[in-house]
Amino acid sequence: ETGVTQTPRHLVMGMTNKKSLKCEQHLGHNAMYWYKQSAKKPLELMFVYSLEERVENNSVPSRFSPECPNSSHLFLHLHTLQPEDSALYLCASSQDRGDTQYFGPGTRLTVL
Amino acid sequence: AQSVSQHNHHVILSEAASLELGCNYSYGGTVNLFWYVQYPGQHLQLLLKYFSGDPLVKGIKGFEAEFIKSKFSFNLRKPSVQWSDTAEYFCAVEGGGADGLTFGKGTHLIIQP
Repeated sequence: ETGVTQTPRHLVMGMTNKKSLKCEQHLGHNAMYWYKQSAKKPLELMFVYSLEERVENNSVPSRFSPECPNSSHLFLHLHTLQPEDSALYLCASSQDRGDTQYFGPGTRLTVL
Repeated sequence: AQSVSQHNHHVILSEAASLELGCNYSYGGTVNLFWYVQYPGQHLQLLLKYFSGDPLVKGIKGFEAEFIKSKFSFNLRKPSVQWSDTAEYFCAVEGGGADGLTFGKGTHLIIQP
């Protein structure tokens, strides 16, 4: 399955670092999403983009900054993260908002 | 806000046993319902979905789910499980004002040979 790809697959960073997660979808979809999967908690929606415009931000701290330069690419810029931000970050895409979402493999982030 | 409850966090079954995983949601309006599966080492995959029509939906690998609106439920079933069904199963709901999916905590299913 190569419809939605994410890089890197694993990332270790210090609290003062700045890093970016990348997501790319090869499905011709118009909507893209960031989710956070923490241990023992449900998957949490972070951001929704439709046609490159952000349509939802579920009260995510400003140390997470999304960017959607075109309908195929989605980034999550990270700066001054906390250890509790360690989690699996999943990207998904759908044809349009409300359609079935297809997920990438995720980036396993560890903040030291 | 929408919430999704999966009551069974860990389930252990023997091969050929029947399976039913519970899922309940809170929003009373129009919803789209999904079950996703995550096999060990793999990413989330869609198992089945309900948007409208026949409340009994069939998915891949012999799974099915029944939408019961009066009970706010969307339980997943399989009449005879296989060892390869060992995975994490997530119920998800779209609706209630959110564009993305609201997920349950997941059920870790282990099938013993």
